[in-house]
Amino acid sequence: NAGVTQTPKFQVLKTGQSMTLQCAQDMNHNSMYWYRQDPGMGLRLIYYSASEGTTDKGEVPNGYNVSRLNKREFSLRLESAAPSQTSVYFCASSTYPGTDTQYFGPGTRLTVL
Amino acid sequence: KNEVEQSPQNLTAQEGEFITINCSYSVGISALHWLQQHPGGGIVSLFMLSSGKKKHGRLIATINIQEKHSSLHITASHPRDSAVYICAVRPKPPFNTDKLIFGTGTRLQVFP
Repeated sequence: NAGVTQTPKFQVLKTGQSMTLQCAQDMNHNSMYWYRQDPGMGLRLIYYSASEGTTDKGEVPNGYNVSRLNKREFSLRLESAAPSQTSVYFCASSTYPGTDTQYFGPGTRLTVL
Repeated sequence: KNEVEQSPQNLTAQEGEFITINCSYSVGISALHWLQQHPGGGIVSLFMLSSGKKKHGRLIATINIQEKHSSLHITASHPRDSAVYICAVRPKPPFNTDKLIFGTGTRLQVFP
């Protein structure tokens, strides 16, 4: 099993450009999450999907959109990148409301110039 | 004030020392998680607790639901334990139960 995979690992964008971060899990988990991690602020939830076909906003959804393409894949899109979106992005999945252990992807380091 | 507070924020230790990291929370919870983030960035789940104590190798996690407090202990610390340790809670209603609330992490450095 690959667990949770994310692409790309690194990305540099110019202000106003768009991009999609891809996430996939092969553990048949219902719940998937997108977080951003900034120095001194801990992990903050951007969007989550409790099951295939549903998505909900987290703490910091502005400037982002998501798609739960199927049970395996959950993508995060930045329509018009801003320097404030420079961060490390993590995708995670879990069996919640089952055992609730979260499995994280390796992260994407995004810089917006 | 954050719902989840960790202390200390930074911790240095000599190899072999006993280490304690604390987590306090202010909401009712159904579970508490301890996560480890290595310098390379990857995050792994260490423990999920709803009561009592769990042990895995040199790591021990305890929780006191009445006091809203959890501790992560590392016995016989080693330089490879150097990482950021993150506490997170799954709240109970009336809070949104679909998402975890994270602390800001404790950065641990263990020197030989």
